[in-house]
Amino acid sequence: KAGVTQTPRYLIKTRGQQVTLSCSPISGHRSVSWYQQTPGQGLQFLFEYFSETQRNKGNFPGRFSGRQFSNSRSEMNVSTLELGDSALYLCASSLTTGFGHSEAFFGQGTRLTVV
Amino acid sequence: AQTVTQSQPEMSVQEAETVTLSCTYDTSESNYYLFWYKQPPSRQMILVIRQEAYKQQNATENRFSVNFQKAAKSFSLKISDSQLGDTAMYFCAFIGTNAGGTSYGKLTFGQGTILTVHP
Repeated sequence: KAGVTQTPRYLIKTRGQQVTLSCSPISGHRSVSWYQQTPGQGLQFLFEYFSETQRNKGNFPGRFSGRQFSNSRSEMNVSTLELGDSALYLCASSLTTGFGHSEAFFGQGTRLTVV
Repeated sequence: AQTVTQSQPEMSVQEAETVTLSCTYDTSESNYYLFWYKQPPSRQMILVIRQEAYKQQNATENRFSVNFQKAAKSFSLKISDSQLGDTAMYFCAFIGTNAGGTSYGKLTFGQGTILTVHP
């Protein structure tokens, strides 16, 4: 059974540009969450999608957005990139509506560097 | 809002010995789950162990066990018979649920503890 797949693994962008990251959950999983990991701020929740609906959102500016498709694949978009957006972006999927009900499986992340 | 605190930025242990990682949390929610995740250098976040707050019995998974003190809001991880492969960053995490037990995928993580197992 394939795990959570995040693409691309590495990305270098210039300030002001926009970027789209992709996450393919484990087959059958309907919940996808996104996290930003930085050395200074640690792991911070971005948003969660379930059945194409955003169910929860973290405290990030509107430049960060996401969506989920009917096949549960999810994308997150960051517009007008800033140097502080450099981070490891992790995606997690689970079978039902939350981690309390089933284990969350994480992808290997996308390392975004903004120069 | 909930917070999770890991007071040990780094720990080290000799192979085959036992080590305990500390975690405290603060929440006003009555229903929640607590987790320990492991993140090795490969960056893959792996669930080590899970504790449901309404269960008094401490969770155990092979060499990994927790000491869950609900009143003290403490959730420590004990690793017995440490192995070289246990070297990783360990994160304590919290997720609240509604009365029906449904959570919304919003994990709150501690800052992490880097564990190094020496041969």
